[in-house]
Amino acid sequence: EPEVTQTPSHQVTQMGQEVILRCVPISNHLYFYWYRQILGQKVEFLVSFYNNEISEKSEIFDDQFSVERPDGSNFTLKIRSTKLEDSAMYFCASGILSYEQYFGPGTRLTVT
Amino acid sequence: GDSVTQMEGPVTLSEEAFLTINCTYTATGYPSLFWYVQYPGEGLQLLLKATKADDKGSNKGFEATYRKETTSFHLEKGSVQVSDSAVYFCALSDRDSGTYKYIFGTGTRLKVLA
Repeated sequence: EPEVTQTPSHQVTQMGQEVILRCVPISNHLYFYWYRQILGQKVEFLVSFYNNEISEKSEIFDDQFSVERPDGSNFTLKIRSTKLEDSAMYFCASGILSYEQYFGPGTRLTVT
Repeated sequence: GDSVTQMEGPVTLSEEAFLTINCTYTATGYPSLFWYVQYPGEGLQLLLKATKADDKGSNKGFEATYRKETTSFHLEKGSVQVSDSAVYFCALSDRDSGTYKYIFGTGTRLKVLA
């Protein structure tokens, strides 16, 4: 069964550093998403991506964040200058028109 | 805006007890509704879904019915097992939003004791 994969599973970085979180969505899906979950809290929407552009973003997704789909298979989330409060689990998801999103296993980002 | 409200946890039950986790929603459009489960240290797994009123989603003994009149999607299981211990998230996807993003509830932690 196809699945969404994410790398790395755990990333530790220092405050102010740039990080790139990578995702490989399911191959025939059209919609791509990033969510995050701060430890012990609810899952929050960050951004959705369709037709090679951002279709919606939340208030959390400020200028420090960016997404791209560089090669038609990978979907990346970049945080330009990480802050302590960016420490969270980041989930990638992909979906087709059926409103059902498939989530990856997540990348735990720890900012020190 | 759209929102999902779940009952506060943790919910602690003995094995074979009946489980109900309440979920209600507000949405401007006509949402699809989902329950996801997160086991310790793992990601989000789709447990069940319903896309229209009166639909019943079911999986692994869990059930939830889409009730438009009460804007609810309560999760139930007749006999829980220790292995059901996890965090359960109710979520909606509003088709009218155009992006199908998910709005999640705060999650309800379930502990099942042997």
